[in-house]
Amino acid sequence: SAVISQKPSRDICQRGTSLTIQCQVDSQVTMMFWYRQQPGQSLTLIATANQGSEATYESGFVIDKFPISRPNLTFSTLTVSNMSPEDSSIYLCSVRTGEYYEQYFGPGTRLTVT
Amino acid sequence: AQKITQTQPGMFVQEKEAVTLDCTYDTSDPSYGLFWYKQPSSGEMIFLIYQGSYDQQNATEGRYSLNFQKARKSANLVISASQLGDSAMYFCAMREEDDKIIFGKGTRLHILP
Repeated sequence: SAVISQKPSRDICQRGTSLTIQCQVDSQVTMMFWYRQQPGQSLTLIATANQGSEATYESGFVIDKFPISRPNLTFSTLTVSNMSPEDSSIYLCSVRTGEYYEQYFGPGTRLTVT
Repeated sequence: AQKITQTQPGMFVQEKEAVTLDCTYDTSDPSYGLFWYKQPSSGEMIFLIYQGSYDQQNATEGRYSLNFQKARKSANLVISASQLGDSAMYFCAMREEDDKIIFGKGTRLHILP
């Protein structure tokens, strides 16, 4: 398994501003993933971040809105840019590791945009 | 089309009874993996159990077992002797050959004392 921390755990932000979420893992991992969980909904994959390469975004998500950095094998950031109330969600990072390449998740960042 | 279907949005079960959470999936990849995750009200995602598409036996992990019926593309989670702490949201998920894991909409399980 992996121990994953995220900062901040929650934030309330004004419309039009940006927030950067940090994800730290206790071991080196090749792939990191960013998910969004809107209120009462399931998890939706935003992008896959490999160290040393550009993130790969899923349909409906673009780099200008959700820029991602992956400077090393234990750390990644997701920025939510030019926020609107529709961006209010829980944002989770995860890593793939373990016997079955299962994914382990951070505790999430609960974002509210007013 | 949805790749993971969980038809039970909510379930109520008496404590100590067994419970089955349904999951069907859709894929054309010959190699895939199926997962179940638990999300308590605290919000964390907890990995419960895994079943590989080539596994001959149904996966088991403590009180959790996965009823894998490949021909029917079904991967139901069975929780034996349910406990109050099992009350949570449960997500079925699948990994295909592109390595991405996609999630179903979830089932909210309520265990009644």
